[in-house]
Amino acid sequence: DIQMTQSPSSLSASVGDRVTITCRASQTIGSYLNWYQQKPGKAPKLLIYAASNLQRGVPSRFSGSGSGRDFTLTINSLQPEDLASYYCQQSHSTPALTFGGGTRVQIK
Amino acid sequence: EVQLVESGGGLVQPGGSLRLSCTASGFSFSDYSMNWVRQPPGKGLEWVSHISRSSSTMYYADSVKGRFTISRDNAKNSVYLQMDSLRDEDAALYYCAKYSSATNPYYGLDVWGPGTAVTVSS
Repeated sequence: DIQMTQSPSSLSASVGDRVTITCRASQTIGSYLNWYQQKPGKAPKLLIYAASNLQRGVPSRFSGSGSGRDFTLTINSLQPEDLASYYCQQSHSTPALTFGGGTRVQIK
Repeated sequence: EVQLVESGGGLVQPGGSLRLSCTASGFSFSDYSMNWVRQPPGKGLEWVSHISRSSSTMYYADSVKGRFTISRDNAKNSVYLQMDSLRDEDAALYYCAKYSSATNPYYGLDVWGPGTAVTVSS
């Protein structure tokens, strides 16, 4: 089974900061990596698919990069509405999907 | 509007059974494979099960294999999760979710329902 490890598990940043979240796969997964945002009390929302493609309607301050085993989600100019947990998910072994443990982003 | 709505959650004793339903609207349901994903209180996301468009293939996480059964009724735009032999660790918010692409399952899950809560307790 492919394991996904996210870091950090939580972070606190100020409005306007650049925030970086990393995700590492236990084996190479090409670009089969997706990112989700989950706001408190809400269902997850797809942000980035295939490592670097912005889902329709997602603000351009969100971006993704990486391939193989190491991936990054970047939020340029953090906004108050970005308070949420963020999850990576590999689809290399679809339909058996695996999510990372999540990163909680708090606003200072 | 593309929408998924789950129902059927509730309180059940360990060893009991529950059947979850998810009803879709706003898209061609029969064109998409569907998934169940769960989230224990205060914890992360765990994929549970997948069913193909025509019900020809079903997959399960090891943690539920042999206890849970996924099915669908394309005429009713619905997918189901029959949960038997429930354990404490099955307590979670259960989401149904569709792939963003009907032909490419690698592009993530773009529509999720609000979830239905399952509590396992004696």
